[in-house]
Amino acid sequence: DAKTTQPTSMDCAEGRAANLPCNHSTISGNEYVYWYRQIHSQGPQYIIHGLKNNETNEMASLIITEDRKSSTLILPHATLRDTAVYYCIVRVLNAGNNRKLIWGLGTSLAVNP
Amino acid sequence: NAGVTQTPKFQVLKTGQSMTLQCAQDMNHEYMSWYRQDPGMGLRLIHYSVGAGITDQGEVPNGYNVSRSTTEDFPLRLLSAAPSQTSVYFCASSYASSDPSVGYTFGSGTRLTVV
Repeated sequence: DAKTTQPTSMDCAEGRAANLPCNHSTISGNEYVYWYRQIHSQGPQYIIHGLKNNETNEMASLIITEDRKSSTLILPHATLRDTAVYYCIVRVLNAGNNRKLIWGLGTSLAVNP
Repeated sequence: NAGVTQTPKFQVLKTGQSMTLQCAQDMNHEYMSWYRQDPGMGLRLIHYSVGAGITDQGEVPNGYNVSRSTTEDFPLRLLSAAPSQTSVYFCASSYASSDPSVGYTFGSGTRLTVV
């Protein structure tokens, strides 16, 4: 099963871009990369996902390297409310052709005033 | 407001007691699942369902039962609570069973303590 590696913690100044890296060197060709975040004590929140192309939505941008072994989540103008744990996860295909996510410990992002 | 509703928010049980954690969604999602979250560990999948009448085991199913009699509800039952089941439990749902990982909506969680 493909696993991900993320830094334990990061800091970012309010108003600046937050760039959160993720390593997924064992990802297979048909596995997507997903990003979620969890604000303290709340349920995780879906942010974005991608396969090979860069993706952008109203929350963030996702940059995936050409070899797909790593990706970066970009929050273009971080605010204090973006302080959260960010999870980079890959979709795993199990024997029943149903899919489950494997969650690591994520990156704890602190946005500072 | 549309979303995933979990009840109760907090619960303390004695070892050996049974209880049911409730999860309801009003988005007509096919896919529903239960996770537990423990300190120092990522979310772990307990059970999931791809539609009414269909359930399957996740990574850590022992000690838990589920049923899916309607599209809206997916209760999680603890058969005989143990201290190792002290955790925060999250219910999640999604539209497509063929791609259940896209756009999970999570509930706000149930914090369970077993003494």
